[in-house]
Amino acid sequence: GDSVTQMEGPVTLSEEAFLTINCTYTATGYPSLFWYVQYPGEGLQLLLKATKADDKGSNKGFEATYRKETTSFHLEKGSVQVSDSAVYFCALSAGGAQKLVFGQGTRLTINP
Amino acid sequence: DTAVSQTPKYLVTQMGNDKSIKCEQNLGHDTMYWYKQDSKKFLKIMFSYNNKELIINETVPNRFSPKSPDKAHLNLHINSLELGDSAVYFCASSQDRQRGIPLHFGNGTRLTVT
Repeated sequence: GDSVTQMEGPVTLSEEAFLTINCTYTATGYPSLFWYVQYPGEGLQLLLKATKADDKGSNKGFEATYRKETTSFHLEKGSVQVSDSAVYFCALSAGGAQKLVFGQGTRLTINP
Repeated sequence: DTAVSQTPKYLVTQMGNDKSIKCEQNLGHDTMYWYKQDSKKFLKIMFSYNNKELIINETVPNRFSPKSPDKAHLNLHINSLELGDSAVYFCASSQDRQRGIPLHFGNGTRLTVT
């Protein structure tokens, strides 16, 4: 079945550091890929998405590129801020399944 | 205005009780969902409805019964609550059936069963 695997957390970085959170997937066909962010005490918010191979999604300084050859959708940011501290979820939607399949989430903490 | 709203935000109850969680969306979306997030933050879909019709029912005990009185509402009723039901439950909605359409989530209901 479809699945998403994210790097184990928690991840702790200093402010202005470079961030990478790895995400790989297994799916039939050509899924759409998403990154969601969950701030403490809140629901998930869509951060960015990509719907076909080589697409790059971007938002709020975050980027992720849909790599079909490596079945990956790694999240990157060049300079993180304390306000980026949250749990990040990679997800896919495939085959008209009308649902998202989520990774296990990666908790990110940014220290000043 | 809140796009997807759930009530209550917190729910503490004893084993064996029956409880309900309500969800409403004002986005005009056709599809609504219930997701369960466990203590390790793992999110898994439970149900989805499209225009009041059940379209996804993932392996969920039949103690859980969703009800959609109209396409803007999807409530979750849980009978005979068990300790393992403790989790955060998220309601969500999306525009239509096509893949690639992201979900809008509510802020969650933290259920604690004692």
